[in-house]
Amino acid sequence: EAQVTQNPRYLITVTGKKLTVTCSQNMNHEYMSWYRQDPGLGLRQIYYSMNVEVTDKGDVPEGYKVSRKEKRNFPLILESPSPNQTSLYFCASSPLGTWGGRWGNEQFFGPGTRLTVL
Amino acid sequence: QKEVEQNSGPLSVPEGAIASLNCTYSDRVSQSFFWYRQYSGKSPELIMSIYSNGDKEDGRFTAQLNKASQYVSLLIRDSQPSDSATYLCAGGSGNTGKLIFGQGTTLQVKP
Repeated sequence: EAQVTQNPRYLITVTGKKLTVTCSQNMNHEYMSWYRQDPGLGLRQIYYSMNVEVTDKGDVPEGYKVSRKEKRNFPLILESPSPNQTSLYFCASSPLGTWGGRWGNEQFFGPGTRLTVL
Repeated sequence: QKEVEQNSGPLSVPEGAIASLNCTYSDRVSQSFFWYRQYSGKSPELIMSIYSNGDKEDGRFTAQLNKASQYVSLLIRDSQPSDSATYLCAGGSGNTGKLIFGQGTTLQVKP
């Protein structure tokens, strides 16, 4: 089954304790992205990657790190979590490439990780 | 102006009616547009994509794109209570694969 998986699904942690949220996709997609979703603020992009070893900042990258060593995996790292990083996090993936001359950016989302930082 | 703008709602329609959801976008957004459905606490699910001016139909859903007026809409025919969700409009931006999302419109379908 084609899917994006995330782990853990739920996490409660304390300020300053490093954590990693894993993301994996089995669709051979080049593009992967991390979002956070907060009430009233919608979905905001944290980081994205257009291919292995190619990553770039999204709209709210502060306090986060990512890596893309393999095509299928795109972990999100919080080196020193703070309470303002309490949120619902989504990983997404997408094929890239022209489609009739246009970029096909249909993104497929993982199930989400609900993070609480105390 | 926000890059992708939606009325937050809630939009309430009776069961069996047509629900009309609208979205406007700025000059930074172009080429590709998507509608996602999101149930509370769940991940966004892609339901429609549209790239060209005009209408695109898929079952009970019709997406409409008007690039001259910079709006995209989603019609849901024969609305069902199970359609009650938040609908997110998203547009592609540039050639980086980025999607810009609207805040979402909450749809309530009343039996």
